[in-house]
Amino acid sequence: QQPVQSPQAVILREGEDAVINCSSSKALYSVHWYRQKHGEAPVFLMILLKGGEQKGHDKISASFNEKKQQSSLYLTASQLSYSGTYFCGTPTGNLIFGKGTKLSVKP
Amino acid sequence: DTGVSQNPRHKITKRGQNVTFRCDPISEHNRLYWYRQTLGQGPEFLTYFQNEAQLEKSRLLSDRFSAERPKGSFSTLEIQRTEQGDSAMYLCASSRGRVSPNYGYTFGSGTRLTVV
Repeated sequence: QQPVQSPQAVILREGEDAVINCSSSKALYSVHWYRQKHGEAPVFLMILLKGGEQKGHDKISASFNEKKQQSSLYLTASQLSYSGTYFCGTPTGNLIFGKGTKLSVKP
Repeated sequence: DTGVSQNPRHKITKRGQNVTFRCDPISEHNRLYWYRQTLGQGPEFLTYFQNEAQLEKSRLLSDRFSAERPKGSFSTLEIQRTEQGDSAMYLCASSRGRVSPNYGYTFGSGTRLTVV
């Protein structure tokens, strides 16, 4: 079952914050997050394995609410380099990706 | 770590022809995945291997698609009798066998297929 991401697209100014949500209709045991820049392959950002887990990488962090079957990706003080499409993936033996959230950061 | 390598980068073929793509995963990764991605969509799962065993194949994958991973190293994806709807980016990824906190999938740069 494909996870649902929201919003579909976000436009930010440098320095602004954004939240991207990922939810599933099925039980979630872990969540992956990836970023894909235009014309490039998806790049792994982080995995959250446990309910309640939060993780951070530079100014990008994520949380995982197992009971609510959802995860959120937080981008703080966004930089131009954050632009791209963000995908969450939910493992079921293999990884099923959401449709993505396109993030555009403007100067 | 040399990354995941895919060849060719681009392929243009006439409808009805057969095409084959190759993927060389990271050497210590025992899992290998094939995905297809069209414009504006997330990667769509096709199939995956644990070593040389093909463990799962998407129901979306028609009989015209076949994948192999002989000896558990590189993998090939073949599409027979190509159709215009097969035009897409074909991505290969590899990972360690177990999901760990520090490792996800490593994707190759993909093979862009155009069927004319």
